Amino acid sequence: GAGVSQSPSNKVTEKGKDVELRCDPISGHTALYWYRQSLGQGLEFLIYFQGNSAPDKSGLPSDRFSAERTGGSVSTLTIQRTQQEDSAVYLCASSLAGGMTNTQYFGPGTRLTVL
Amino acid sequence: GQNIDQPTEMTATEGAIVQINCTYQTSGFNGLFWYQQHAGEAPTFLSYNVLDGLEEKGRFSSFLSRSKGYSYLLLKELQMKDSASYLCARGGSGGYQKVTFGIGTKLQVIP
Repeated sequence: GAGVSQSPSNKVTEKGKDVELRCDPISGHTALYWYRQSLGQGLEFLIYFQGNSAPDKSGLPSDRFSAERTGGSVSTLTIQRTQQEDSAVYLCASSLAGGMTNTQYFGPGTRLTVL
Repeated sequence: GQNIDQPTEMTATEGAIVQINCTYQTSGFNGLFWYQQHAGEAPTFLSYNVLDGLEEKGRFSSFLSRSKGYSYLLLKELQMKDSASYLCARGGSGGYQKVTFGIGTKLQVIP
């Protein structure tokens, strides 16, 4: 079956522009996570969705970052007024439910480069 | 914080055994994950330990000691395709799979 997909795979933007990153989770997965992986850094948690709700947004680095999820499926991560330090690979993962024993399946990521 | 420490790089020989260690802060601990990540690819799940002891899964085994805040991933009969980064990740409290990842150990398998 289809795995987690993300688009675009690569995005180059100029400083100050807004970007939208999309994640299509595995069908039927209620939990969805966004992470950021910067060069030389571990995966950094950004936000968790259960259905369309985001019980934990604690990882969003600033108010320039926002995310939504609609229909319990597709999620969009939006970064406004991008800065060079936003350059990273943005990974999305989904799992059947939010519990600890539910395996997270990761998408291929979106590599964001802010010039 | 939830500091997770693991070596940044390791090198091992094809056919050999390698152990990748990970230490973490014990407060609020709720399980230890290991993921494999090949260069330029997404992480893939390897193991989840919540109780003390060793869990074996084919060539890969994972060990946990909750009292010591210590885990290791053991890879046997190394193959060239095992060259990848191995991410140690600590589960925390919060009612969902809130996971904090370490920086990862880049393993290079040489002939």
